[in-house]
Amino acid sequence: GENVEQHPSTLSVQEGDSAVIKCTYSDSASNYFPWYKQELGKRPQLIIDIRSNVGEKKDQRIAVTLNKTAKHFSLHITETQPEDSAVYFCAASIIGNQFYFGTGTSLTVIP
Amino acid sequence: NAGVTQTPKFQVLKTGQSMTLQCAQDMNHNSMYWYRQDPGMGLRLIYYSASEGTTDKGEVPNGYNVSRLNKREFSLRLESAAPSQTSVYFCASSEASRRGNQPQHFGDGTRLSIL
Repeated sequence: GENVEQHPSTLSVQEGDSAVIKCTYSDSASNYFPWYKQELGKRPQLIIDIRSNVGEKKDQRIAVTLNKTAKHFSLHITETQPEDSAVYFCAASIIGNQFYFGTGTSLTVIP
Repeated sequence: NAGVTQTPKFQVLKTGQSMTLQCAQDMNHNSMYWYRQDPGMGLRLIYYSASEGTTDKGEVPNGYNVSRLNKREFSLRLESAAPSQTSVYFCASSEASRRGNQPQHFGDGTRLSIL
């Protein structure tokens, strides 16, 4: 099955700096890559996603890039704010199949 | 529109007891999932149901059973609870179309402790 690796496991940045989280996947058939944010004690919530026919997608301060050849995708958060502090999960899936999650990145934004 | 609803929110069991975690979604999604979340291990899939009437094992199915009661409801049963099953359990649902998989929507989770 698919194997998704996520790095780093923890990340601390100063408020206003950028944060980058990277994921790799193993199955070249994976074609959908969502990113979830989970605040302490809450449910994971989708923040952005990308499909395999797109190389980059942006939504305000958040962007995701996908390199199909290298089988990796990254989450970029610019101008970080304290409310961005949370655990972020990447995932990969094949159409009609299950989702495979990374082990998460705990992001701390220091005011 | 409640999305995905899980019950109960908290539960404490003794080793060997059984219980069923309930999940219902009102988004008319075909696919439903059960995950467990443990510190440092992310979300691990226990079972999923791609459509009504079908269920499949995920990464960590041992000790669990599931029932897709209808399109809305997907339950998870622990027949004989063990301390290793202490975890936070999340139910999720999603739609899969010819355009590709859609995002998963998660419930609020069930925090289960086995003593």
